[in-house]
Amino acid sequence: AQSVAQPEDQVNVAEGNPLTVKCTYSVSGNPYLFWYVQYPNRGLQFLLKYITGDNLVKGSYGFEAEFNKSQTSFHLKKPSALVSDSALYFCAVRPSTDSWGKFQFGAGTQVVVTP
Amino acid sequence: NAGVTQTPKFQVLKTGQSMTLQCAQDMNHNSMYWYRQDPGMGLRLIYYSASEGTTDKGEVPNGYNVSRLNKREFSLRLESAAPSQTSVYFCASSPLGGLANYGYTFGSGTRLTVV
Repeated sequence: AQSVAQPEDQVNVAEGNPLTVKCTYSVSGNPYLFWYVQYPNRGLQFLLKYITGDNLVKGSYGFEAEFNKSQTSFHLKKPSALVSDSALYFCAVRPSTDSWGKFQFGAGTQVVVTP
Repeated sequence: NAGVTQTPKFQVLKTGQSMTLQCAQDMNHNSMYWYRQDPGMGLRLIYYSASEGTTDKGEVPNGYNVSRLNKREFSLRLESAAPSQTSVYFCASSPLGGLANYGYTFGSGTRLTVV
């Protein structure tokens, strides 16, 4: 069975500073990895995904994530955070070999960006 | 494009009452899902429908039933609501869930309180 860990309940960062949200995973075989963002009272929105190929993937709103197979991690990063990046971020994983495997979501990390 | 539409947005039920949460998507997606979101627990899958005419249990199906009415609509029913079902419920859809390097498109959620 797959699992996802987001070790930080909350990340605090000042506007303009780099932002990192951590995610580690456990899955049989190769993973499909996704990041979603949830703004208050809204549904989750897709940010980016890793399926195969280049370990560094770029997504919406200036976010990027690096797939590290040896460390089984998929950390989300943004070079310069904005106040508007304050939201709840979810990492999700599923095994590529499981035809009807459903995504396993992490518990979420609240990002607070202060002016 | 409406995407995934959920109704109602808010609901308060008394213990033992029943209700149906409605979900409709207009993207011609084959697969649909119901998740619940609880603080510190991320999203947990209740039921999913791989395609029209099929439904399967997810991680936390007890106390719920679903109906895939047609390709567009996937409803979630609580037959006898309990306080433990107080949560935010999200419907999601995906083009071909079994081949998912596709992500999900989420609705905006239903906030349910059972008193």
